[in-house]
Amino acid sequence: EVQLVESGGDLVQPGGSLRLSCAGSDFTFTYYWMHWVRQAPGRGLEWISRISNDGTTPDYADSVKGRFTISRDNAKNTLYLQMKSLRAEDTALYYCARDKGADGLDPWGQGTQVIVSS
Amino acid sequence: IQLTQSPSSLSASVGDRVTFTCRASQDISSYLAWYQQKPGKAPKRLIYSASTLQSGLPSRFSGSGFGTDFTLTISSLQPEDFATYYCQQTHSYPVTFGGGTTVDIK
Repeated sequence: EVQLVESGGDLVQPGGSLRLSCAGSDFTFTYYWMHWVRQAPGRGLEWISRISNDGTTPDYADSVKGRFTISRDNAKNTLYLQMKSLRAEDTALYYCARDKGADGLDPWGQGTQVIVSS
Repeated sequence: IQLTQSPSSLSASVGDRVTFTCRASQDISSYLAWYQQKPGKAPKRLIYSASTLQSGLPSRFSGSGFGTDFTLTISSLQPEDFATYYCQQTHSYPVTFGGGTTVDIK
């Protein structure tokens, strides 16, 4: 079964840093673009970043540009999100998802919780 | 591209036929996906290319539309269908989602 499993979420102080990971299994990870999408408490889905299958082309939402860095290690079938200068408004459940092109995002991981608070 | 979903919430009963809409701010052809999200769970893709049902899902879910106006219909609402539904455009970068429609029990 194709699966994505996120990890790395934690409680962090404002201004702090955190690195999230997303491990893929049962599919050829290197074939697919990958995304990070977050959901603040009680809110909708917010796309924040994507990366090309070879890792050379990252893109970011304006809300995280300059603070977050997406990367991947295809040898380890793992996607990363390095987050710096965290703010209270970054508090959310962070999901990774596989890009199926015109067919949307599928599957999604179960999410990892990031809480930014003093 | 902005996506506007309506209504933002609706109350319905088991067995009801429910329809909700997603309107795009510009023509996106059929580049639209729908997702279902249950409380505490990750989103799950239901429909892609506006009308193609995800493999293994029940046929009571259907999607339609082209251009700027799209609908998701549940022909006979089941208890497990009470959830929030999001649309997403796959036409162009950046990825955008609608604000969601929450279906709860009347």
